[in-house]
Amino acid sequence: RKEVEQDPGPFNVPEGATVAFNCTYSNSASQSFFWYRQDCRKEPKLLMSVYSSGNEDGRFTAQLNRASQYISLLIRDSKLSDSATYLCVVSGTYKYIFGTGTRLKVLA
Amino acid sequence: SAVISQKPSRDICQRGTSLTIQCQVDSQVTMMFWYRQQPGQSLTLIATANQGSEATYESGFVIDKFPISRPNLTFSTLTVSNMSPEDSSIYLCSAATGVAETQYFGPGTRLLVL
Repeated sequence: RKEVEQDPGPFNVPEGATVAFNCTYSNSASQSFFWYRQDCRKEPKLLMSVYSSGNEDGRFTAQLNRASQYISLLIRDSKLSDSATYLCVVSGTYKYIFGTGTRLKVLA
Repeated sequence: SAVISQKPSRDICQRGTSLTIQCQVDSQVTMMFWYRQQPGQSLTLIATANQGSEATYESGFVIDKFPISRPNLTFSTLTVSNMSPEDSSIYLCSAATGVAETQYFGPGTRLLVL
């Protein structure tokens, strides 16, 4: 089993739709959780950290479920500019583990 | 946050040669990492660059092939030695201010080995 698993997609959604991604992790001792966004031929950029209480930033909401060992990302009112690959990142001691990424394409 | 620069941004190299990639952070950071990303794939950690000591390599990566230096808290280099076409990839440097803290990435170095 991979340490961090994501559905690679692609998720093709119309503009204005709500889309959700999940990511599961295998190490129950993981400490920190992040969602990164990566555009084609660019470096990953932090979208948001994920806290136990959940957090929201505009149209983006992240949740952490430690009992079931998964994190989620919800994007509301999708924009064309949201098209990218979304990487789930889990941090343990001295190391970060990346998921394979979920590709999102928002269609006009 | 940390701003990270890398150079070169891209290079085309002949097999058998070596390339050294530089990574500069605009502030002192505890942790620096080197990743490789093949086209269409996610990031693979090569090693953690440790200041003042040998890097910590992940399974499948060895010091002879990927020597790493980290002379201070803001700078690191990765050398890709005796290159082959299989080394063609994007190499990314990243930094974090502490264990399990947010990681910031450099723009990457696109390497093509002929």
